[in-house]
Amino acid sequence: SQQGEEDPQALSIQEGENATMNCSYKTSINNLQWYRQNSGRGLVHLILIRSNEREKHSGRLRVTLDTSKKSSSLLITASRAADTASYFCATENTGTASKLTFGTGTRLQVTL
Amino acid sequence: DAGVIQSPRHEVTEMGQEVTLRCKPISGHNSLFWYRQTMMRGLELLIYFNNNVPIDDSGMPEDRFSAKMPNASFSTLKIQPSEPRDSAVYFCASSFIPGGYTFGSGTRLTVV
Repeated sequence: SQQGEEDPQALSIQEGENATMNCSYKTSINNLQWYRQNSGRGLVHLILIRSNEREKHSGRLRVTLDTSKKSSSLLITASRAADTASYFCATENTGTASKLTFGTGTRLQVTL
Repeated sequence: DAGVIQSPRHEVTEMGQEVTLRCKPISGHNSLFWYRQTMMRGLELLIYFNNNVPIDDSGMPEDRFSAKMPNASFSTLKIQPSEPRDSAVYFCASSFIPGGYTFGSGTRLTVV
């Protein structure tokens, strides 16, 4: 079953704009991770945020985590056409060490 | 490092035939995961290994599916006999837990 639910399911923006994707989950977690998948390719790990962290940055990526609301957001600043992909959140749930459960994904389209 | 290597990239087989998917994880990683991705069900964890030992195979859909990891550098996922509903992209991923996963490029399986 899907642990995470991403919102929105699809997002279309213009190059240079910021893109925000949200993820909600249901159970307590050890950490939450974000992945990118280009069409026809495998998933690429972007960032990991632990349950005791609230915010993390990596280049143009900013991830927040609110464990009280069981939600996370991924912000991509100054988007580029190359950012076009599907983005998935994945949770490592408490008691299931090393096992990730993936959400349904957000399809991001960045146009020129 | 060449990353996680999966073979074959594409497999087309007839219903009832045996299918074997192969995976070479990243050297030094201690965990290996097999996922299946379809439009309808998203990413589903089938089985994962820690230090070559199967830890959780609750996602394996039926007895027709089996997985082995005879050593730290090789794993197989076998489907016997295959059915059209097994058509999907199968991903192998490895990780050094705790940490993010590295995914292979996947095997696109079509059962006709």
